[in-house]
Amino acid sequence: GIQVEQSPPDLILQEGANSTLRCNFSDSVNNLQWFHQNPWGQLINLFYIPSGTKQNGRLSATTVATERYSLLYISSSQTTDSGVYFCAVEGRQAGTALIFGKGTTLSVSS
Amino acid sequence: NAGVTQTPKFRILKIGQSMTLQCTQDMNHNYMYWYRQDPGMGLKLIYYSVGAGITDKGEVPNGYNVSRSTTEDFPLRLELAAPSQTSVYFCASSQDRDAYNEQFFGPGTRLTVL
Repeated sequence: GIQVEQSPPDLILQEGANSTLRCNFSDSVNNLQWFHQNPWGQLINLFYIPSGTKQNGRLSATTVATERYSLLYISSSQTTDSGVYFCAVEGRQAGTALIFGKGTTLSVSS
Repeated sequence: NAGVTQTPKFRILKIGQSMTLQCTQDMNHNYMYWYRQDPGMGLKLIYYSVGAGITDKGEVPNGYNVSRSTTEDFPLRLELAAPSQTSVYFCASSQDRDAYNEQFFGPGTRLTVL
């Protein structure tokens, strides 16, 4: 099945710093989503981005489907950005599962 | 719109007990899913449904059953709870696989089996 790799696994930042999280996937995809799982365990949809670029406030994401990767940019990080960021993809073949990467754990300190 | 709601939020079961995790969505989505998340890991699909009356197994279905009698509801049943089923369970829904298929997740149910 499709493989999803996220890097880095852990990231420690000072408040105000910028960061880039990467998601590589091994096959063509119908769907790619970025999630933030906050310290209370809630999964928050950040982007639905099977291709192209989107921006939402301090966050933006780019997916280059032909090269099988996606990037999540966080600018001017805040302590509330802490948590785990997951990339999840759905392959083009039969089946409707989102395949999740193992996540990037982000810690932002003041 | 409440989105995807799940009950209960927390539950402790003894080995061999059974329970049903409830999931409801009010977005009129055709597709619904159950995932489990083990500590330090991403989510894995247990079962999914493409519409009322239609369900299918995901990656980790053993020990679980589902039903889909209405568009809104997709309960997950644990018949004989085992410690390996200690996990956080997420329900999700999406509109349509072939068109716009963003999945929306509920708040999760944290289950401990002792």
